[in-house]
Amino acid sequence: DAGITQSPRHKVTETGTPVTLRCHQTENHRYMYWYRQDPGHGLRLIHYSYGVKDTDKGEVSDGYSVSRSKTEDFLLTLESATSSQTSVYFCAISGRRVTNYGYTFGSGTRLTVV
Amino acid sequence: KQEVTQIPAALSVPEGENLVLNCSFTDSAIYNLQWFRQDPGKGLTSLLLIQSSQREQTSGRLNASLDKSSGRSTLYIAASQPGDSATYLCAVPTGGSEKLVFGKGTKLTVNP
Repeated sequence: DAGITQSPRHKVTETGTPVTLRCHQTENHRYMYWYRQDPGHGLRLIHYSYGVKDTDKGEVSDGYSVSRSKTEDFLLTLESATSSQTSVYFCAISGRRVTNYGYTFGSGTRLTVV
Repeated sequence: KQEVTQIPAALSVPEGENLVLNCSFTDSAIYNLQWFRQDPGKGLTSLLLIQSSQREQTSGRLNASLDKSSGRSTLYIAASQPGDSATYLCAVPTGGSEKLVFGKGTKLTVNP
């Protein structure tokens, strides 16, 4: 999607290894989010950020950490990948609440943990 | 805790039919509701964003309505086409924050 890119698009990794997914935006939006999407569960929030170095947990944050050192980049790290973290990961951005921009999503990263 | 339900989970219609997708949410203290489309293996594309002060929002053949008091939104698709086949998701903010809670979606198939 224009203005937001995720990398890598696909990754296969082994159980127990650390993995970092990257989300990059060019919209200068304040809010960034990481979701995972799984059959039967839909989209669930992992972590989100409301500014540089300001992050908070979502509903499924165990086993994940995030960092945001610049406005444009939001990194998601799986500290020690497990098979249950096999999923499609989506990054999203949104503008200031007062203007109610809504969300824009990236194209996703398909992660397989073997 | 905000919960979002979408009914039906799947829908199959012949081309040209008008159809309605339903979304309900438990906490009516929202400031907007967003409808998305997701094609297989792809990301989410925003279709319509309805502010809490609005009752309807239109884009082409799509019309979304919002009734905050009853905790419901509908997405109306007119004159459906095979290219409309996709999963449609609705989402609302939770806890007065910027965090969205999603329904599990309605998978739409439009048959030629």
